[in-house]
Amino acid sequence: SVLTQPPSASGTPGQRVTISCAGSSSNIGRNTVNWYQQFPGTAPKLLIYSNNQRPSGVPDRFSDSKSGTSASLAISGLQSEDEADYYCAAWDDSLTGYVFGTGTKVTVL
Amino acid sequence: QVQLQQSGPGLVKPSQTLSLTCAISGDSVSSNGAAWNWIRQSPSRGLEWLGRTYYRSKWFRAYADSVKSRITINPDTSKNQFSLQLSSVTPEDTAVYYCARGPSPLNYWGQGTLVTVSS
Repeated sequence: SVLTQPPSASGTPGQRVTISCAGSSSNIGRNTVNWYQQFPGTAPKLLIYSNNQRPSGVPDRFSDSKSGTSASLAISGLQSEDEADYYCAAWDDSLTGYVFGTGTKVTVL
Repeated sequence: QVQLQQSGPGLVKPSQTLSLTCAISGDSVSSNGAAWNWIRQSPSRGLEWLGRTYYRSKWFRAYADSVKSRITINPDTSKNQFSLQLSSVTPEDTAVYYCARGPSPLNYWGQGTLVTVSS
């Protein structure tokens, strides 16, 4: 994977959890970052896109930010149903393709 | 609401061609704003974008370098669907394959198809 994420993150209910996504000038540095949420045995679901836009039904506890060639996803007020895998993604102009992060498993303690 | 329904065999023999189809409802494969993608996921490779096709006055295709010599993605306007063909498969191609609507973000996904490459 071209984008690097920590393999795991955890928190207790109500806490704030942040997931980082490191890329390069050809992907995050030039293009919008998208975030996907995936539960076991199901397809990834779009969570956030185009600078903090959320599809209908996604709670505003989820937010993202970007600085240079890195991005991050924040989950505020962590809930048990947030336990899932999270992936960042962006278009890469050098590879001329869509690239994904390595994925982060969020555990609610 | 866009829905994508995948179909195709779950078992392919080594050296053969993997073929999957993604039927579209709620949108058109010829839609001028959309792009139709294939992605796969395996424990060893994570989520991997394979390629896409899209229509902008004519048909375009783009493929990932990792599979460029073996992949074909084709639209089928008569059935409003698109397909994936991956030739000369090896056990390394064992993965869950997804179709998805883009271009970016990928806002609608198929249900996924586990394809195992084994004799």
